[in-house]
Amino acid sequence: NAGVTQTPKFQVLKTGQSMTLQCAQDMNHNSMYWYRQDPGMGLRLIYYSASEGTTDKGEVPNGYNVSRLNKREFSLRLESAAPSQTSVYFCASSRDREQYGYTFGSGTRLTVV
Amino acid sequence: AQSVSQHNHHVILSEAASLELGCNYSYGGTVNLFWYVQYPGQHLQLLLKYFSGDPLVKGIKGFEAEFIKSKFSFNLRKPSVQWSDTAEYFCAVNEKGADRGSTLGRLYFGRGTQLTVWP
Repeated sequence: NAGVTQTPKFQVLKTGQSMTLQCAQDMNHNSMYWYRQDPGMGLRLIYYSASEGTTDKGEVPNGYNVSRLNKREFSLRLESAAPSQTSVYFCASSRDREQYGYTFGSGTRLTVV
Repeated sequence: AQSVSQHNHHVILSEAASLELGCNYSYGGTVNLFWYVQYPGQHLQLLLKYFSGDPLVKGIKGFEAEFIKSKFSFNLRKPSVQWSDTAEYFCAVNEKGADRGSTLGRLYFGRGTQLTVWP
């Protein structure tokens, strides 16, 4: 089915380890986003990419890096994981026109111990 | 930047009760408005959206929302909830006509309202 695919679905890391969360969409969307979801905090934007080759910081970018590898793929990297990064991470994509909402991936549940 | 307020953090209802979830936003300009639903263990799905026209918008599963511009509100309603409506509900806003280089398509989310429906 068309949509946004995230991998992995679950991950446990030790403090200081690094990892990359993968996201791919097959809807030919230009814009892609990474959010984290924490209880009582809603969704907070980490980074976004308005088009291939561009990335911008969101509300909570510290401790993360992103790569817009091509139009389909937008990865999120944790260079040195911290317990505060324990969260559920969602990737989303959208069409250019502002009146369209997002299509979300199924999420990655990350625990840092 | 926008701010989106959802006043109810947790709502508990019995089946067949009526539902209204509040959402207010801060932006004074023209906006697009959305409600998303997240069922337990799942990702967010679009419930309904408002772009223009009739301020009363109907979505999936019997939900509707009313845009009241003078109150900066976009409240979600359902006349009779079901146990299967148990989920978290998020209101979201983006700015119509936003500058492409800065806020293109970007949605601002409220903190969510957890709805629990008892059978």
